Amino acid sequence: AQTVTQSQPEMSVQEAETVTLSCTYDTSESNYYLFWYKQPPSRQMILVIRQEAYKQQNATENRFSVNFQKAAKSFSLKISDSQLGDTAMYFCAFMKLVSYGQNFVFGPGTRLSVLP
Amino acid sequence: DVKVTQSSRYLVKRTGEKVFLECVQDMDHENMFWYRQDPGLGLRLIYFSYDVKMKEKGDIPEGYSVSREKKERFSLILESASTNQTSMYLCASSLPPFLTQYFGPGTRLLVL
Repeated sequence: AQTVTQSQPEMSVQEAETVTLSCTYDTSESNYYLFWYKQPPSRQMILVIRQEAYKQQNATENRFSVNFQKAAKSFSLKISDSQLGDTAMYFCAFMKLVSYGQNFVFGPGTRLSVLP
Repeated sequence: DVKVTQSSRYLVKRTGEKVFLECVQDMDHENMFWYRQDPGLGLRLIYFSYDVKMKEKGDIPEGYSVSREKKERFSLILESASTNQTSMYLCASSLPPFLTQYFGPGTRLLVL
């Protein structure tokens, strides 16, 4: 079974600074996908960024980028130029495709506070 | 934009009551999911459905059942609510082969 670990339950960062959220996972699969989801205080979860395990290049989405280390099973999220709107719970998720659909496993989350 | 809605934002029920949580998506997605979210545990999959009338158990199905009679609607049923089912419940949907899940706003259920 897959597991996802986020070792930082809470973090804070000053506005405009850079912060990195860590995520490690355990799997014996070779083909899978990794996600970072954001859940703002209003609670609607939204996708931040996605990485396919077969791609060596790290995914980027504007101020968000990942450091994907497949051998180390590490998938950290870097937020540059942090903004107050980045305050949220961040969940790392592992997904593999199965015959009947998708199998997602989520980490416990990191609560990020961006301070003015 | 994909829209996933859940019937209630907050719900208070008594132990032993039958509880229905409904989820509706408007984008013809085949896959729909029910999770519960608890502090320190993240999201745990209760059930998911990959088509009308089709369902698969997730990691924590005990005490829950589901119904999917129409493609856009996926219901979670607590047959006899218990206090340990107090939680946040999140619904999500996705469309193969696209991988992204779209989430509803969540229902915070309190069982007294």
